[in-house]
Amino acid sequence: SQTIHQWPATLVQPVGSPLSLECTVEGTSNPNLYWYRQAAGRGLQLLFYSIGIDQISSEVPQNLSASRPQDRQFILSSKKLLLSDSGFYLCAWSVIDSNTIYFGEGSWLTVV
Amino acid sequence: GEDVEQSLFLSVREGDSSVINCTYTDSSSTYLYWYKQEPGAGLQLLTYIFSNMDMKQDQRLTVLLNKKDKHLSLRIADTQTGDSAIYFCAEGAPRGTDKLIFGTGTRLQVFP
Repeated sequence: SQTIHQWPATLVQPVGSPLSLECTVEGTSNPNLYWYRQAAGRGLQLLFYSIGIDQISSEVPQNLSASRPQDRQFILSSKKLLLSDSGFYLCAWSVIDSNTIYFGEGSWLTVV
Repeated sequence: GEDVEQSLFLSVREGDSSVINCTYTDSSSTYLYWYKQEPGAGLQLLTYIFSNMDMKQDQRLTVLLNKKDKHLSLRIADTQTGDSAIYFCAEGAPRGTDKLIFGTGTRLQVFP
C-alpha cells in the first residue's frame, strides 16, 4: 500500500533563517506531488505541484521554493523565512490523471 | 474563476444529523470531494462523488450534489463526538491538471 511521510512535524524558526521540509511517498511510482499551506483560520492554498523529477509548477508568488530530486521525494525550502510563512504545511500525492489526492500528516511551522 | 465556499462553523448535539454545505463555481469539475481534518493532523479523504451522480451514501455519510446550483452537501447521520473536525469540500480542476480547489473548511463541533 502507498504511504506518505513528511517531516519535521513541528518547527520553530527565527525570521531570516532557512527552511527545509521533506516529503517522501512509498508504494507508488511517478506520482504527482503537492505542497499545500493552511494558514490559521484559512483554507488550503496550493503552493507547488510536480508531475515529475525536476518538473515543478508554482501556483503563487512567494518566499518559498520546491524541489523534486527523486521520483518520490518533494522538498519545500526557503532561504530566509518571513513571519507570514507561519502555517501548517501539507504534502500530498496523487496518481497521474486522478483527482484523488492523499495527504501527509502535516508540518507545523512557526516563524518567530 | 475557481472558488469553493463553505460556512466556517457548525455546532450540533451528539446523535443529531449534521449537514455541511459547499458551493463551487467550476461546472467542468468531474469529481467533488469531502476531506476531514482532525486537530493537528493531515487531511483524510472521506468520500467523493462523480459529477454525473446526484447522491452517494456510505454508511453514516450521504453526499448530495445539485449540479444546476453547483451545491454540494455532506450529511453525517448520528453525529458522534469523534466527528468533531474541520471538513473540507474540494472540486477537481479540469482533467489533466490533477489539482484540487479546496474550500475554507467547516469546523464541526459536536457537544454531548
